[in-house]
This record gives sequence, structure tokens and C-alpha cells, in this order.
Amino acid sequence: SQQGEEDPQALSIQEGENATMNCSYKTSINNLQWYRQNSGRGLVHLILIRSNEREKHSGRLRVTLDTSKKSSSLLITASRAADTASYFCAPVNDYKLSFGAGTTVTVRA
Amino acid sequence: EAGVAQSPRYKIIEKRQSVAFWCNPISGHATLYWYQQILGQGPKLLIQFQNNGVVDDSQLPKDRFSAERLKGVDSTLKIQPAKLEDSAVYLCASSLAAGGANTGELFFGEGSRLTVL
Repeated sequence: SQQGEEDPQALSIQEGENATMNCSYKTSINNLQWYRQNSGRGLVHLILIRSNEREKHSGRLRVTLDTSKKSSSLLITASRAADTASYFCAPVNDYKLSFGAGTTVTVRA
Repeated sequence: EAGVAQSPRYKIIEKRQSVAFWCNPISGHATLYWYQQILGQGPKLLIQFQNNGVVDDSQLPKDRFSAERLKGVDSTLKIQPAKLEDSAVYLCASSLAAGGANTGELFFGEGSRLTVL
């Protein structure tokens, strides 16, 4: 199964700033999902974007998908301390969903 | 709605001992996943069940790991004998269904942290 590769590996921003992270994958997908993991906790689903969608919003989150480039991006606007976490993309091909190493985001007060 | 329940939360064992983890998915969820997450890495799928049948166990080290999902509800993951490199968090997740574009969001438990000494 393929997995997403997130970039950058780590990101440190000031509260109120925007955070952008990218995901690349290798084969065709049915959909792509983003998850957040706070330290010592399980993963929490953030957003799902289908292969025929190009952009999706959910609160302060904006996800884009470019299937021609096999890439996706997650933008968190007006970041808060509570956004400090690891973020994982998960491309879905058929029934298989795999995770990359993630982007660790630190939001400084 | 109750979430995915996992136990125990923490377990410390000596190498070559055995350990078992239990997961109770969200009621009505057909698909159940076990992931292994080593510190600093992303979760790696060990096994995926659809009801009580195995969909994917290609990354499960079958010489020491086993998993079952009796009656298509809760599941047990066992490691016997454990090695040092099995130290990780074992995450259980469930979803309503899996298949093509219908593979929707996964709901994760808090995980079981295993330390092998």
C-alpha cells in the first residue's frame, strides 16, 4: 500500500500565524484524509477530500488536492497553542489507508 | 456515542514474554484496524478486518503476532514472544465501512503503549 510523505518534518510558528504542510503520494487515490495526533493520544480525523475535489474547508482548515501532481496541502489559519500536534496525511487507494511520518507543528505563544 | 476502547493503556514486559491487547470498536463499525506506531514514526498498518474476516495482514509479523476478531466485534492482538523492537504504541481504529471511495474516516482509540525490556 502507498503512504503519504509529509513535508516539512517539523514546523514552528507563532500563535496567530498560518501553518502549511504538504503531502505527496505515488499512485491513484480514491480519497485523501488528514489526521491530527496530540502527544500521547490517538489520531483524530480532520478532513477527507475525494479525488474529484480540488479544495475543501472545515473551520480554520483548508485542504487542497492536485491529483495531476499527486499532492495535497493542509493549511491551518490563525493558529492556536492547541494546534500543537503531529499532522498526518493518508492517501486511500481502494480500501487501504496508510500514514507517513507526519509533520510536527509547534505553535509558540 | 462511545469511542474506540483499548486496554491496557500501558504494559511493560521482558523480552520473550507474551502480551495481549484488546480493542472494542464503535458499535456498528464493520472495519477494524490495528496499527503499530514506533516513537517518532507514523502508524503502520498491521492488520485490517472487515467484520470478522481479514482484509489485509501483509505487514503483520506472523511468526510472533496474531490477531482475531471474533463475532465481528471486539478484537485481540497478541505478541508472543516479544522482542525489544516491538516497543511501540498499538493503536486500534474502526470505521463504518471500507472499499473504494467509501473508505471514510477512521476513529482511533487512545492506544496501548508497550515497553519491552
